[in-house]
Amino acid sequence: SQQGEEDPQALSIQEGENATMNCSYKTSINNLQWYRQNSGRGLVHLILIRSNEREKHSGRLRVTLDTSKKSSSLLITASRAADTASYFCATDAGDTGNQFYFGTGTSLTVIP
Amino acid sequence: EAQVTQNPRYLITVTGKKLTVTCSQNMNHEYMSWYRQDPGLGLRQIYYSMNVEVTDKGDVPEGYKVSRKEKRNFPLILESPSPNQTSLYFCASSLFSGSPSNQPQHFGDGTRLSIL
Repeated sequence: SQQGEEDPQALSIQEGENATMNCSYKTSINNLQWYRQNSGRGLVHLILIRSNEREKHSGRLRVTLDTSKKSSSLLITASRAADTASYFCATDAGDTGNQFYFGTGTSLTVIP
Repeated sequence: EAQVTQNPRYLITVTGKKLTVTCSQNMNHEYMSWYRQDPGLGLRQIYYSMNVEVTDKGDVPEGYKVSRKEKRNFPLILESPSPNQTSLYFCASSLFSGSPSNQPQHFGDGTRLSIL
């Protein structure tokens, strides 16, 4: 399976600190996306990074992609209590099909 | 408002009683997909569709059926539900431009299914 794995599984930080979560995947990809899920709700798209990009920013989010290591990281700067959620990476399977694969997620708790 | 609508949001039923979870999107998206989410396993793709009358199996298709007769609708059918299909289900849609990951997916609010 192409499914990615996020690390750590759970992360607890104080408000104002930075949060970093990592995603590793198994095969070549075209793009990688990050999603956020508030408890029991639908996922919300955060950012998309293409395989030829190394870094992308969106507001307080910074995503990096290292295709040689098959890994990506999501950095949330100056975290807020409202950032408390689960975060998932998601990828395709390169040229081998049109499936879409999600990782197992990182549960982030930001303590006010 | 652009959205993906799933119904029902919650359902408790019994083993073997056929059920359908509906999914509809109003964004004219080609790609639609069903996922199930279980603790510790993340989201796993059940079936996906790249356009009308085109459906393909995802990672966990056993026990499920889908159809795509219209672009906007993508129902998930459990012909003979079993307890191991108790899960949180999500429908999602996106534009398709060469790869499912080229565009963000838009998710419904989920359907919590309990099969006794």
